[in-house]
Amino acid sequence: SQTIHQWPATLVQPVGSPLSLECTVEGTSNPNLYWYRQAAGRGLQLLFYSVGIGQISSEVPQNLSASRPQDRQFILSSKKLLLSDSGFYLCAWSNEGRGTDTQYFGPGTRLTVL
Amino acid sequence: QQQVKQSPQSLIVQKGGIPIINCAYENTAFDYFPWYQQFPGKGPALLIAIRPDVSEKKEGRFTISFNKSAKQFSLHIMDSQPGDSATYFCAAIPSGGSYIPTFGRGTSLIVHP
Repeated sequence: SQTIHQWPATLVQPVGSPLSLECTVEGTSNPNLYWYRQAAGRGLQLLFYSVGIGQISSEVPQNLSASRPQDRQFILSSKKLLLSDSGFYLCAWSNEGRGTDTQYFGPGTRLTVL
Repeated sequence: QQQVKQSPQSLIVQKGGIPIINCAYENTAFDYFPWYQQFPGKGPALLIAIRPDVSEKKEGRFTISFNKSAKQFSLHIMDSQPGDSATYFCAAIPSGGSYIPTFGRGTSLIVHP
């Protein structure tokens, strides 16, 4: 069966510090991968998605970047965090090819920028 | 531009009641409609999903009703329990292109004992 991992689970960082959040998927190959941000009490904002190694699409211009160094690894980064980067970050995967398969979400990372 | 409109934003029912959450879409290219359940501090989990070739799908106490001509779909929770208290998101996925789902803004459900 497929599983998705995210770490760390929680993170408190000062403004201006760097960020690296990691997501890995097990039990599948060549998945589509996604990063979402969820502000408190709000909906899901798609940040990045990837259909293959080194292929990253950005949905919104921002202070963040993403990379996919391996087939089942997706990393969200920032060089200098802003207060507005606080939120709940979710990684998700779906099967390659047609998108009519649903997305499966990880447990999330709670990021607080002070 | 919100392509999937979800209502209500919040909902409170008594145990045993039948909360109904509605979603409406505009893009006729959508052809897969999942619902997610999210508990506080957790990632959303797939609850149930439907394709537009059927009008209803049931899984346990959860039912999706789908009206293709009206471009609307809804989630019904039968015999709701306090453990169903969570945020529910509808989504719509297109049949081609980038395969990116469009999510509704979520409904916070509270089921009182």
